[in-house]
This record gives sequence, C-alpha cells and structure tokens, in this order.
Amino acid sequence: AQSVTQPDIHITVSEGASLELRCNYSYGATPYLFWYVQSPGQGLQLLLKYFSGDTLVQGIKGFEAEFKRSQSSFNLRKPSVHWSDAAEYFCAVAPEGGYQKVTFGTGTKLQVIP
Amino acid sequence: ETGVTQSPTHLIKTRGQQVTLRCSSQSGHNTVSWYQQALGQGPQFIFQYYREEENGRGNFPPRFSGLQFPNYSSELNVNALELDDSALYLCASSLEDRAGETQYFGPGTRLLVL
Repeated sequence: AQSVTQPDIHITVSEGASLELRCNYSYGATPYLFWYVQSPGQGLQLLLKYFSGDTLVQGIKGFEAEFKRSQSSFNLRKPSVHWSDAAEYFCAVAPEGGYQKVTFGTGTKLQVIP
Repeated sequence: ETGVTQSPTHLIKTRGQQVTLRCSSQSGHNTVSWYQQALGQGPQFIFQYYREEENGRGNFPPRFSGLQFPNYSSELNVNALELDDSALYLCASSLEDRAGETQYFGPGTRLLVL
C-alpha cells in the first residue's frame, strides 16, 4: 500500500531564510507526487506536481521540489521565505491514472518569524 | 479562489443524526472527490464520483454516501453520526479523473459531532 511520511510536524524559519520540507513516499510503481498548501480556514491549493520527466519541478509562489527515486523523496524547497508562506504543507501520492485513493501525509506546519 | 464552493461552512450535530454536506464544482468538471481531514491530520480520501457514478472509494463505511448531479453539484451524506466523524470535509473537482488534471479544492465544511 502506498504511504507518505512527512517527518517534520512543525518548522520555524526566519523571513528571508531558505526552506526545505521533507517528504518520503512508499509506492511500488512510478508515483504521481504533489505538494499542497493549506492556509487557516481555506482548502488545499496545489503548489506543484510530478508525473515524469525532469526530476526538478517548478511550482507556484517560488516553490520547487526534487524527485529522488533512490531516496524515495520529494522534498519541497524555497530559496527565500516570505511571511505569507506561513501555512500547513501537505505532500501526497496518487496511483498512476487518477486521483482515486490518493494518500496525503500528515502535514508540516510552517511558522515564519520576522 | 478555486471556483469550488461548499456549504455550510460549519455544522454541529449530535451522535446518531444524519448530515448532508454540499459542494458546487467548477463548471464542466466531471469529477468530484470528497476527503475527510481530522484535526492534525492530512486529508483522507472518502470517495470519488465521475459523471454521476461512484468511481472509487477509500476505507470508509457505507454510512458515508454521495451523489453527483448534472449541474456539477454534489453531496456527501453521513448517517448515524459518530463522535469520530468530527472533521473538516473537503470536496475537490477536476475536469477528468486523471492525475494529470489539477484538483481544485473547496474551503471545506467543518463538522462537529457532540
């Protein structure tokens, strides 16, 4: 069965500092991988997704993620964090071909300090 | 703004009651998925509807049921509510059931079962 692990429950960074959020997945075939952001009181917004091809994926809001098959990881990065990036971030994996039975991680809450 | 709306925003019910949650998808989106997000957890896939037929189901009992209508609206019904059903319920729509299609999430309905 597929699974997603986000080992960091809570991360605090200073505004302007770089950010890396970790995600490890377990899936037998080539995974479809996603990063979503959820601000308080709001639904999920897709930041980026990986299906195949270039392992470095660019997303919205200056985020990028790198797929590393050998490490079963899909870490999210941003070179310079803004106060508005404070939110909860979810990594997810979906089976090839659809969103059925997509599995989300438990999330990483990002706090940004001035 | 994703174009996906949900109602009501908040709801309080008592154990044993029944509840209906509503979602209005983006126009033209044939696929709607429902998720349950318990406090401090990532969303869990409940089920998906494609062109008004159930198209996949997660590990949820039959008292969770749904409907999708031709006007791109849908419902999630939960019978015999239990305390553990307290959660944020999210719907997400996409044009087709392909992981290549972006899912657009609504803001959710927060259900509290007393």
